[in-house]
Amino acid sequence: DAGVTQSPTHLIKTRGQQVTLRCSPKSGHDTVSWYQQALGQGPQFIFQYYEEEERQRGNFPDRFSGHQFPNYSSELNVNALLLGDSALYLCASSPRLDTGELFFGEGSRLTVL
Amino acid sequence: GEDVEQSLFLSVREGDSSVINCTYTDSSSTYLYWYKQEPGAGLQLLTYIFSNMDMKQDQRLTVLLNKKDKHLSLRIADTQTGDSAIYFCAETGNAGNMLTFGGGTRLMVKP
Repeated sequence: DAGVTQSPTHLIKTRGQQVTLRCSPKSGHDTVSWYQQALGQGPQFIFQYYEEEERQRGNFPDRFSGHQFPNYSSELNVNALLLGDSALYLCASSPRLDTGELFFGEGSRLTVL
Repeated sequence: GEDVEQSLFLSVREGDSSVINCTYTDSSSTYLYWYKQEPGAGLQLLTYIFSNMDMKQDQRLTVLLNKKDKHLSLRIADTQTGDSAIYFCAETGNAGNMLTFGGGTRLMVKP
């Protein structure tokens, strides 16, 4: 049983560019959340998707957007990249909407130059 | 808003007990969680406690909750070198499963 898978694992972009990160949830999970983890800090909640809709959003600008597909996989898009967007982006899935028992992927490490 | 605080670093000897502490501000939290992050990896859920409980034990792990003081602790008995990692406490407040994490405590276990 595959856990949460994310791609790509590492990527380098320059300021102003756009990036798309992808996530496949654990089998049987229909809820996907995205977190940003800056170096040396705890993860910060970006948003959560359920039934192909954004259900909750953290304190992130509109440059951060997402999508959930009918097969429950998800994408995180970041436009107009800033140096401060450099971080580990973690995807987490759960079997229902109202739980903090999350299963995390290993993350996508984004470096913005 | 919610805020979760942890000490940055803890060093123990193999075989000793480790106690990692956390304070939080959102008294509406229904559940509080402990996650573990090993180098280069995502987070792994270790355990959680319901807010109406004082203590929960799960093998080598003991979670203590003082709701009055908004203080949470994780005790690891017989700490092993494989326990070396960063430990995060997290709470959801009344916001469903939107977790607010602390900054993490790096546990170093010396042989």
